[in-house]
Amino acid sequence: RKEVEQDPGPFNVPEGATVAFNCTYSNSASQSFFWYRQDCRKEPKLLMSVYSSGNEDGRFTAQLNRASQYISLLIRDSKLSDSATYLCVVMKTSYDKVIFGPGTSLSVIP
Amino acid sequence: GAGVSQSPRYKVAKRGQDVALRCDPISGHVSLFWYQQALGQGPEFLTYFQNEAQLDKSGLPSDRFFAERPEGSVSTLKIQRTQQEDSAVYLCASSLQLPSGGNTIYFGEGSWLTVV
Repeated sequence: RKEVEQDPGPFNVPEGATVAFNCTYSNSASQSFFWYRQDCRKEPKLLMSVYSSGNEDGRFTAQLNRASQYISLLIRDSKLSDSATYLCVVMKTSYDKVIFGPGTSLSVIP
Repeated sequence: GAGVSQSPRYKVAKRGQDVALRCDPISGHVSLFWYQQALGQGPEFLTYFQNEAQLDKSGLPSDRFFAERPEGSVSTLKIQRTQQEDSAVYLCASSLQLPSGGNTIYFGEGSWLTVV
């Protein structure tokens, strides 16, 4: 079983829709969580950190459920420019090995 | 430049050839990571340095892969006797301190390796 798992999609949604992605991780000792965005043929870039209490950044909301070992990303009012692959990132604390999920592909269509 | 710089951007190697991929992290960044990303997949961890110390190399797929960061700044990923399955994008990333301290990981644009 992979350490971090995501539904690869693709998710095809119309503009203005709300879409949610989940990510599960296997190591209960994981301490830090992030969502990265990767555009086609580009490098990953940080979208947002995920805090225990949940956090929001504009149209994006991230949540963490430690008991069930999953994190989620909610995108409201989808824009065409949101089309990308969204990567879930998990870090352990012992020596900070950084693990990426396989990514979820999102296409926002007009 | 201000970002993570990787070279070469694109490399075509004949099977059996050795290749060396270079990463210049952001100045002052302590942590440096190498990842391998195949088409349609997420980045797979290869190895991690804290300054010049290679703390984790558990992701290196075989003994043909070797990474070093001798002076704690520039890093080189070397692949010996390349095979077709080595074809991928090799991403380098760096962060100022330990990532779990909340510091962002910044990626380079990657080195695209094709083995023919």
